[in-house]
Amino acid sequence: GAVVSQHPSWVICKSGTSVKIECRSLDFQATTMFWYRQFPKQSLMLMATSNEGSKATYEQGVEKDKFLINHASLTLSTLTVTSAHPEDSSFYICSARPGGLRGSGNTIYFGEGSWLTVV
Amino acid sequence: KQEVTQIPAALSVPEGENLVLNCSFTDSAIYNLQWFRQDPGKGLTSLLLIQSSQREQTSGRLNASLDKSSGRSTLYIAASQPGDSATYLCAVTANQAGTALIFGKGTTLSVSS
Repeated sequence: GAVVSQHPSWVICKSGTSVKIECRSLDFQATTMFWYRQFPKQSLMLMATSNEGSKATYEQGVEKDKFLINHASLTLSTLTVTSAHPEDSSFYICSARPGGLRGSGNTIYFGEGSWLTVV
Repeated sequence: KQEVTQIPAALSVPEGENLVLNCSFTDSAIYNLQWFRQDPGKGLTSLLLIQSSQREQTSGRLNASLDKSSGRSTLYIAASQPGDSATYLCAVTANQAGTALIFGKGTTLSVSS
């Protein structure tokens, strides 16, 4: 089946630094990728929708200058948390939708998620 | 704006019991509905996907139903086992191509042996 890989699985960074999380579709081309954030004991909240070759669409309340999303190829989207603060500590998870015929049925595949801890 | 609500937030049952998890959504114009399982500190495992034209889906001991007009779905787990302990998330996709899943807050299930 389709596989979406996220890297790193967990990362600890110092307050004020930036950290990049990668989301790769391993066996399909993903025209659309989604980034979610999940705080402890909360649900997954959609942060942004990333379309290959165009700017990401951010949800209300998500700072686009703080959470930089790049979807430069059909198999890779990156989320960069800039000037990270402790309140950014969370579980970040991406999902990808295949393009073309494989995208029929609106199937979405999820990565394993990335734990970010800002100290 | 679509909102997904799951009841109860937490549930504890003894092993062997049958149980029902509930999910409701405010906008009935959905493309499909999915149930996921999430273990602590882990990603998501897709359990069942119901297209908007379907009424139910079954996989092993799991059965999910969908009543789109009333904005409700249920996940039925038969003969629960300790290994079923996890958080179960309900999510809907809007009736529009390229849209993201909107999640409920989940029901945390604990099955004791």
